[in-house]
Amino acid sequence: DTEVTQTPKHLVMGMTNKKSLKCEQHMGHRAMYWYKQKAKKPPELMFVYSYEKLSINESVPSRFSPECPNSSLLNLHLHALQPEDSALYLCASSQDVSGGWTYNEQFFGPGTRLTVL
Amino acid sequence: KQEVTQIPAALSVPEGENLVLNCSFTDSAIYNLQWFRQDPGKGLTSLLLIQSSQREQTSGRLNASLDKSSGRSTLYIAASQPGDSATYLCAVRVGSGNTPLVFGKGTRLSVIA
Repeated sequence: DTEVTQTPKHLVMGMTNKKSLKCEQHMGHRAMYWYKQKAKKPPELMFVYSYEKLSINESVPSRFSPECPNSSLLNLHLHALQPEDSALYLCASSQDVSGGWTYNEQFFGPGTRLTVL
Repeated sequence: KQEVTQIPAALSVPEGENLVLNCSFTDSAIYNLQWFRQDPGKGLTSLLLIQSSQREQTSGRLNASLDKSSGRSTLYIAASQPGDSATYLCAVRVGSGNTPLVFGKGTRLSVIA
């Protein structure tokens, strides 16, 4: 199974809503990532989790709150978003082996298309 | 700071043509380079990954080469088909472990039947 799944596929929310995006992988990968992608732009890294611990936060506003409840799941909690946060949110995972020869190919999910009204 | 550039930004070719997409990066100290395909509104599909010690990787009609010293990679697509129409993204990883990928802006390919 080389698949990363994301739910929901589409999400429309108001600026006062609280919602969550979910990502799941069963490849035994220990690194998981959230990216944000605006139209016709490359993905921008938001967060990296390594062994269920937050290792990189690319200065993302606190209205985005990541959570990694176990090695297979990654959530992104959303609260008080702005219309400019509308984008495609992509989750990815990779094998994360410290030291030695690593094969860190990143596998991406299909994304959640988020619209903030 | 690592920067990745992809040229051209867009490319239109007739079906059956062989084509080359280019990717260049400013810092040759990369760990690996990955080529992705993205269809409109969809996620990224990994096509090929080249480790820094490798010169090329092949998968079907795709061949990716890496010249680390000159900071260049190419993606060669043989006998293009309309189904190859997509945006192709190049990304480099600058270290081992969970260091981030640095993406180029992509090349939007249209293959005309």
